[in-house]
Amino acid sequence: SSELTQDPAVSVALGQTVTITCQGDSVRYYYVSWYQQKPGQAPVPVIYGQNNRPSGIPERFSGATSGNTASLTITGAQAEDEADYYCNSRDYSGNVVFGGGTKLTVL
Amino acid sequence: QVQLQESGPGLVKPSQTLSLTCTVSGGAFKNYNYYLSWIRQPAGKGLEWIGRINTGGSTMYSPSLKSRVTMSLDMSTNRFFLKLNSLTAADTAMYYCARLYSHGGEDWFDPWGQGIRVTVST
Repeated sequence: SSELTQDPAVSVALGQTVTITCQGDSVRYYYVSWYQQKPGQAPVPVIYGQNNRPSGIPERFSGATSGNTASLTITGAQAEDEADYYCNSRDYSGNVVFGGGTKLTVL
Repeated sequence: QVQLQESGPGLVKPSQTLSLTCTVSGGAFKNYNYYLSWIRQPAGKGLEWIGRINTGGSTMYSPSLKSRVTMSLDMSTNRFFLKLNSLTAADTAMYYCARLYSHGGEDWFDPWGQGIRVTVST
């Protein structure tokens, strides 16, 4: 399957750890990147490649992959982390695919 | 640093062709691992990849849009173009251009333009 599946919504208490997942067959073969999108703004990358953070992204963001599931973990979630998160990878034909997105609520 | 800016009409009629421009400033795409990609997002929905083009003009389009999409570029003015024909209301969305770094199975989009909202309606 070329699809990437994400849970529609996840919540976390302020200061706690949350993991957002992205499932798909192609995750076994391609790196997954993660994007944060706040209302009215363009997406911003938070993780790419083998757990790399772009400049300016806090260390509390990390990524990992196990089998067909990629995960984005926020350790010590902050109020400003409340946003939509999208994963991105490729399908077997090399086409870019995005997950459906996960809405993160920080309680 | 590299900045991207989309421009074009905000309202297009059904069956017509959408033409958008992405102007790149503050840097270049000389690294052959860089592409310019178009991505769209209907209001309240997820991201959809439209396609990508490299500085040599090589293109790759989403299978679902391939029959209606054309991407091109003018490197003398650092402008990239998107044309989407036979528009319907389903093409109403925010359209983003973004630089895509792609190498060895590693892809990531950075930076993104601010987006341009396009409505398809009579």
